[in-house]
Formats: sequence, C-alpha cells, structure tokens
Amino acid sequence: DAKTTQPPSMDCAEGRAANLPCNHSTISGNEYVYWYRQIHSQGPQYIIHGLKNNETNEMASLIITEDRKSSTLILPHATLRDTAVYYCILSNAGGTSYGKLTFGQGTILTVHP
Amino acid sequence: DAGVIQSPRHEVTEMGQEVTLRCKPISGHNSLFWYRQTMMRGLELLIYFNNNVPIDDSGMPEDRFSAKMPNASFSTLKIQPSEPRDSAVYFCASRSGGTVSNQPQHFGDGTRLSIL
Repeated sequence: DAKTTQPPSMDCAEGRAANLPCNHSTISGNEYVYWYRQIHSQGPQYIIHGLKNNETNEMASLIITEDRKSSTLILPHATLRDTAVYYCILSNAGGTSYGKLTFGQGTILTVHP
Repeated sequence: DAGVIQSPRHEVTEMGQEVTLRCKPISGHNSLFWYRQTMMRGLELLIYFNNNVPIDDSGMPEDRFSAKMPNASFSTLKIQPSEPRDSAVYFCASRSGGTVSNQPQHFGDGTRLSIL
C-alpha cells in the first residue's frame, strides 16, 4: 500500500474549523483515502472515506485534490472532544489487499478552549 | 446498534499463563480483524478473517499466538504461553462486504493486556 505523510501535531481553537492535511503522492487509481481517529484509551473511530470526489457526512468533510495526491479532512466546528490522533490511510478495496488498513503515526490534534 | 464488543477490557496475568481475548463483531459483518497496539510499533494487523476463514495471518508474531472464528458472531485470540513483551492493547474490528470491499472497519474498545 502507498504511504501517507501527515504533520505530527496541530492545534485548533474550539469552535473553529480544523483542517488536517495528508499527502499521498504515490496513490494508485483504485486506492481509497480513509480517515480514522483515536481518542485516548479508545479504539480507532471511522470518520470518512473517499476515492475521487469530495465527501461529507455528519462528522466531517473530505476534500481530495483533482490529482488525488493529497487530501484534507475538515472538522467544521471543532470541540474539545475532537482532541485525538487522526490517521489518514490508503487502502485498496480488492485484490490481495482486501481493504487492509495500515496505520501510520497520524496527526495529534489538540483543540484548545 | 451494538458495536464491536471485546472482553475482557483489562487483563493482568503472569508470564507463562494462557490468555484468551474475545470479540463479538457487529451483526451482519462478515470480515473480522485483530490488531495490536504498542507505543513502539503502533497499530499492527495480526490476522484477517472472512466468512469465518482466516485469509491473512502474516501479522501473527509467532506460534504462541493463535486465532479462531468458530462462527460469525465470535472470535478468539489466544496467547500461550504469554510473555511480558505481549503486553499491549488488542483491538478487534469488523466490516461488511467480504474480501473486496471499501466499507469501513469498525473497532471495539480493545483489551488492555499486561503480562507480569
């Protein structure tokens, strides 16, 4: 699976939008971009995923560039409970990869009051 | 809807003892994954089941580790004999859609294992 690059840490003020970047310059055509987060002492929580188009759900928005070499996760109104490690992961749904998730180090997002 | 359920939440045992971790996937999900998380190595995939059959066990550290899925609603991860370096948080995740699927995995809250 191709690798992703994320900043090790970011800060955000409560109530403001949190924009978390992810670079994946070697992404292949059939790889999806997944975002998960892990709040301390809990299991990873699925946030959103996409292939080419931008996606939005009740938690966040995912913006994927046209060349698919980078993406941004947007939390529109960050709260203190959004403080967590955020993982950007590439995964191929089929073939020998079977949608396997390989977690990197992620971005530690700290939301301040 | 109930999520992935893991038990026990915490396990403390002495080196050499057998440890069994349990997982109940989300109903209707036919793929199940076991992961291990440590400070040094992060989150690692141990084994993947589809329709109760192990598909990829390349992440299982050694023969002391074994996993089974006797039916669609239950899986176990067993360590025998346990060693202090097995101390970690073990997560189970499930997903719908089989081996070719872009559906997301949903994780349990993990079992925190300490081997003394």
